Amino acid sequence: SQTIHQWPATLVQPVGSPLSLECTVEGTSNPNLYWYRQAAGRGLQLLFYSVGIGQISSEVPQNLSASRPQDRQFILSSKKLLLSDSGFYLCAWTSGTNEQYFGPGTRLTVT
Amino acid sequence: GENVEQHPSTLSVQEGDSAVIKCTYSDSASNYFPWYKQELGKRPQLIIDIRSNVGEKKDQRIAVTLNKTAKHFSLHITETQPEDSAVYFCAATPFSGGYNKLIFGAGTRLAVHP
Repeated sequence: SQTIHQWPATLVQPVGSPLSLECTVEGTSNPNLYWYRQAAGRGLQLLFYSVGIGQISSEVPQNLSASRPQDRQFILSSKKLLLSDSGFYLCAWTSGTNEQYFGPGTRLTVT
Repeated sequence: GENVEQHPSTLSVQEGDSAVIKCTYSDSASNYFPWYKQELGKRPQLIIDIRSNVGEKKDQRIAVTLNKTAKHFSLHITETQPEDSAVYFCAATPFSGGYNKLIFGAGTRLAVHP
């Protein structure tokens, strides 16, 4: 069966510091991968999606970037964090069909 | 682009009552409509979905209905229990060349009181 991992689970970072969040999927090949952000008490905002290695589409212009160095690895990065980057970051995947499944998430607090 | 509106934003029911959450979408080409349940501090979990060639789908106490003409779909929970308390999100997949993007509604916070 398929499994999706995210790390770290929680992170506290100062404003202006860099960020790297990682997502990996097991048990499937060539998945579509997605990064979402959820502000406290709010809905799900799609940040990036990827249909293959090196293929990244951005949904919202911001100080974040994404990369897909391997088929089942998706990375979210920032060079300089803002206070507004705080939130719950969720990675998700689909494979073939429409069903989309979320990883456990990373809770980021920017201080 | 696709827009999904969800109502109500909060819903409070007594245990055993039914709960209904409604969503409308704007892109008539949308063909897949999932519902997610998110408990506090956890990831959204897919609980039921429906495709555009089906009008209704049931899974035990939950059901989803789709009206393509009116472009709206609804989640029905019967015999609610306290463990149904969570935030529920609807979503729609607009035609996007196979990228399977989901556009989410803003969510409904359901509280089931014993």
